Amino acid sequence: EIVLTQSPGTLSLSPGERATLSCRASQSVSGNYAWYQQKPGQPPRLLIYGTSSRATGIPDRFSGSGSGTDFTLTINRLEPEDFAVYYCQQYDDSPPWTFGQGTKVEIK
Amino acid sequence: QVQLQQSGPGLVEPSQTLSLTCVISGDSVSNNRVIWNWIRQSPSRGLEWLGRTYYRSKWYLESAASMNSRLTVTPDTSMNQFSLQLSSVTPEDTAVYYCARSGHGWEAGLFGYWGQGSLITVSS
Repeated sequence: EIVLTQSPGTLSLSPGERATLSCRASQSVSGNYAWYQQKPGQPPRLLIYGTSSRATGIPDRFSGSGSGTDFTLTINRLEPEDFAVYYCQQYDDSPPWTFGQGTKVEIK
Repeated sequence: QVQLQQSGPGLVEPSQTLSLTCVISGDSVSNNRVIWNWIRQSPSRGLEWLGRTYYRSKWYLESAASMNSRLTVTPDTSMNQFSLQLSSVTPEDTAVYYCARSGHGWEAGLFGYWGQGSLITVSS
């Protein structure tokens, strides 16, 4: 099973700043890598798939990058609605699909 | 517009069987280009994929090895829904349970649609 480790656990930033979230896999992953956003009381929402493709309706201030074992989610110019918890996920090859433990982006 | 509506008991006693249902609208449980999944979330275990069912000329029912054969995911074509049954529950099974739809092929593990979540507490 591929283990995903996210850092930092919490990111304290102000609106308008850039957020950089990291995710490291325990073994090399192909391009089947995703990011989700979750707000309190809601299910996760797909943001990024295939490492860098935005899901339908996701603003272009969200971008994903990376390869091998290291992946990054960047949020440019944080908006008030972007403060949430973000999860990385790998969907490489076959189940079990695994998620990182999450990074909380909070208002500074 | 695909929508997934979950229903479940809320509270389950230890050693009993947890049953949850996910009603599908805007799609068909028999769609041979998607997969129907169960995922749970708890503070101790995070987001955890549990199992899935899908139709590809026949029905496939699969569960994560970590469920130790306690989990069954089954489709119901007459009601256009699918269900989760988790036997011999313990307090460690306390979590928010989600149903979710994923795609076909390389998108099999990509969850684009989610149910609203069901908080399940295992306690006597």
